[in-house]
Amino acid sequence: ETGVTQSPTHLIKTRGQQVTLRCSSQSGHNTVSWYQQALGQGPQFIFQYYREEENGRGNFPPRFSGLQFPNYSSELNVNALELDDSALYLCASSFGLAGASYEQYFGPGTRLTVT
Amino acid sequence: KNQVEQSPQSLIILEGKNCTLQCNYTVSPFSNLRWYKQDTGRGPVSLTIMTFSENTKSNGRYTATLDADTKQSSLHITASQLSDSASYICVVSINDYKLSFGAGTTVTVRA
Repeated sequence: ETGVTQSPTHLIKTRGQQVTLRCSSQSGHNTVSWYQQALGQGPQFIFQYYREEENGRGNFPPRFSGLQFPNYSSELNVNALELDDSALYLCASSFGLAGASYEQYFGPGTRLTVT
Repeated sequence: KNQVEQSPQSLIILEGKNCTLQCNYTVSPFSNLRWYKQDTGRGPVSLTIMTFSENTKSNGRYTATLDADTKQSSLHITASQLSDSASYICVVSINDYKLSFGAGTTVTVRA
């Protein structure tokens, strides 16, 4: 176990709805990254938060947003859900920036299904 | 076009045998290259992290190599076990915040 937890494990939403996914980082980690993983594909980088500020974003529209809290837990919010948003959403925490040589610890993911 | 390409897409090996997975990348320069193991329905787990100046790194029965000149990396699994059945993902760090993931190689180990 990595010490990174995510909730919920699974959820089903309807197109157009909004969803909030949660991640609890490993103790002491100041960086959290979020990824979207479609079936049979590698994870795609959504964004990274470092000390409560977003400091990098992948090719995802503004309806994907996030928050990181002082206790380093974080949220991923997705508005106006589309069918293509169906995927496994992973969060990963680390002691420093994800692109530097810091070990990233992934949570088990949240499986989102949009109908 | 993906900046990280992995081959083969999948492979089947017998328990106890060795195998090698390939990763070709186009990202340049880069900070580090990683290999992850991902069990079905779980988050990836780190196997190795190499900076561009490192040529090889081992983690138990897993050995990763890196050739920065040819932009190739490989992951060698020695004496495979049933628990090695998983997807193996090659990841290249593009900058301080962005990692580019390959699609992965699915390894199935059979008794």
